[in-house]
Amino acid sequence: QVQLQQSGPGLVKPSQTLSLTCAISGDSVSSNTAAWNWIRQSPSRGLEWLGRTYYRSKWDSDYAVSVQGRITITPDTSKNQFSLQLNSVTPEDTAVYYCSHSGYFVEYFKYWGQGSLVIVSS
Amino acid sequence: QSALTQPASVSGSPGQSITISCTGTSSDVGAHNYVSWYQQYPGKVPKLMIYDVSHRPSGVSNRFSGSKSGNTASLTISGLQAEDEADYHCASYTTSRTIMFGGGTKLTVL
Repeated sequence: QVQLQQSGPGLVKPSQTLSLTCAISGDSVSSNTAAWNWIRQSPSRGLEWLGRTYYRSKWDSDYAVSVQGRITITPDTSKNQFSLQLNSVTPEDTAVYYCSHSGYFVEYFKYWGQGSLVIVSS
Repeated sequence: QSALTQPASVSGSPGQSITISCTGTSSDVGAHNYVSWYQQYPGKVPKLMIYDVSHRPSGVSNRFSGSKSGNTASLTISGLQAEDEADYHCASYTTSRTIMFGGGTKLTVL
């Protein structure tokens, strides 16, 4: 049973960087069969997959075209967690952000974090 | 990339069956059997209901079933119950190694 606990600020100013962390229990961020995702949800955009990081003999990541160039998802093996950084945010990045687990040939999301409302406003 | 297409809303009476469609392209829904469905109550975290087109996780009622034909996947709920009233979202893996979600469908039980 994987459990995910999110943390991070709920208010970010426009043009600044949104940062969230997801602590993992019940699995390892370095697992060769897991992938660690960030997903967001807003009334205007619905659920939107942002990207993921995973380890398959080396670290790799995949990102959505909509946020490519602004997003970085990084693992922290010492704390068994992973983080989201989204740069140059605008009010359109206001959403509930979720971390989630998927895996190798496991292209679905059974385990989710509790969700974090992030508001982009000055 | 555009989101998968779902109807904005569907409705049905208790005991009836409803089907929610999820239309994509040959680069997502039509390319793999990696289609999943999620149920979400207001203010709550999405819950996995169907994975790999038609598989149910342990604990999910067998009233929920999934299928796919070409570029369109479908979620069917039979024997509709009041507790089924929620938002439903489809998702698909794509040939670009990304995940695409649908816009979501609000199910109303009349």
